[in-house]
Amino acid sequence: DAKTTQPPSMDCAEGRAANLPCNHSTISGNEYVYWYRQIHSQGPQYIIHGLKNNETNEMASLIITEDRKSSTLILPHATLRDTAVYYCIVKGSTLGRLYFGRGTQLTVWP
Amino acid sequence: EPEVTQTPSHQVTQMGQEVILRCVPISNHLYFYWYRQILGQKVEFLVSFYNNEISEKSEIFDDQFSVERPDGSNFTLKIRSTKLEDSAMYFCASSDQGGNQPQHFGDGTRLSIL
Repeated sequence: DAKTTQPPSMDCAEGRAANLPCNHSTISGNEYVYWYRQIHSQGPQYIIHGLKNNETNEMASLIITEDRKSSTLILPHATLRDTAVYYCIVKGSTLGRLYFGRGTQLTVWP
Repeated sequence: EPEVTQTPSHQVTQMGQEVILRCVPISNHLYFYWYRQILGQKVEFLVSFYNNEISEKSEIFDDQFSVERPDGSNFTLKIRSTKLEDSAMYFCASSDQGGNQPQHFGDGTRLSIL
């Protein structure tokens, strides 16, 4: 699985968009980009995933660059409850395991 | 929304004792996983399970660990003889297919070995 690089921490004002970047320059053609978050010591929560097209769901949007070497998770209107560690994970379709790095600690302030 | 449930939320066990952690995956899911997270460290993969057999395991998942799906709903992780270093949060996850389908996690069992 390709390795990802994320900033260790970011902050964002409540109500503003939070844009979390991720670099995955060695991603292979069949590997998807997944985003999870972990609030305190709870279980990782799935947010969104994509292959090459941009994706949007009720939680967030995922923007993947055309060369697929980086992506951005967008939380359009961050709330205090979005304070969490956000993980960007690249995974192929054959192996089941998810490799979690250190992620980005997002702090949303009032 | 369907969710993965894990019991107990906290388990305290004496070193050397056996412990069984229980999980009820989402009902139509076919792939099951265990991960663990030692305090302050990364989430680490332990094992994946499909069609009543282990499909992949990490180097952490040694002979002290075993998994079982004893009935149509439960998925269990057994640690035969616990060690102090087994103290961690243990997360169960499930997905409805392998491949690119996302894994959905429970809120974990905190295992404390004394």
